[in-house]
Amino acid sequence: DTEVTQTPKHLVMGMTNKKSLKCEQHMGHRAMYWYKQKAKKPPELMFVYSYEKLSINESVPSRFSPECPNSSLLNLHLHALQPEDSALYLCASSQGDRRGTNEKLFFGSGTQLSVL
Amino acid sequence: GESVGLHLPTLSVQEGDNSIINCAYSNSASDYFIWYKQESGKGPQFIIDIRSNMDKRQGQRVTVLLNKTVKHLSLQIAATQPGDSAVYFCAEGNAGNMLTFGGGTRLMVKP
Repeated sequence: DTEVTQTPKHLVMGMTNKKSLKCEQHMGHRAMYWYKQKAKKPPELMFVYSYEKLSINESVPSRFSPECPNSSLLNLHLHALQPEDSALYLCASSQGDRRGTNEKLFFGSGTQLSVL
Repeated sequence: GESVGLHLPTLSVQEGDNSIINCAYSNSASDYFIWYKQESGKGPQFIIDIRSNMDKRQGQRVTVLLNKTVKHLSLQIAATQPGDSAVYFCAEGNAGNMLTFGGGTRLMVKP
């Protein structure tokens, strides 16, 4: 299994809603990531988990809250989002041997989020 | 009208021709480079990577060339097919720093 699976594929939410994005991998990878991608732009790093511990937070607003329940799962909890948060949210994983800095990332297909 | 920054550089090639997508990187300390392909509605898909101790690496129909002197990376696709149409991103990294993605190039393959 060489896949990173993300659910849901599409999500529409209001600014007062609470929702969660989910990501799962069964490749035995120890580093997992959340990226945000706007249309026609490259992915932007949000968070990195290394061995189930948060190792990087790229100054992301607190309305985004990551969680890593175990080495295979990664969640992103969303609360009180703004319309400008509408984007494709990508999960990725990597082996973790290099602590995520210099190795191949495997991406999921993403969740297309629209905030109304 | 269209806003500045919403245009991706575009390379248009005829089916069957070879494609060359270029990428200039900024950090002379970068020692790992990777190319991703992203089709509409999908996540980036790994194509090929190269470390700085090499200047060329070949895969199936793809070749990555690295010129450290001028900080330039290129992706060559042989016999380009309609299924190669996508946005291609290069990324650079080094120990202690996360991968940094370039702006992307759209490849359009004309039948």
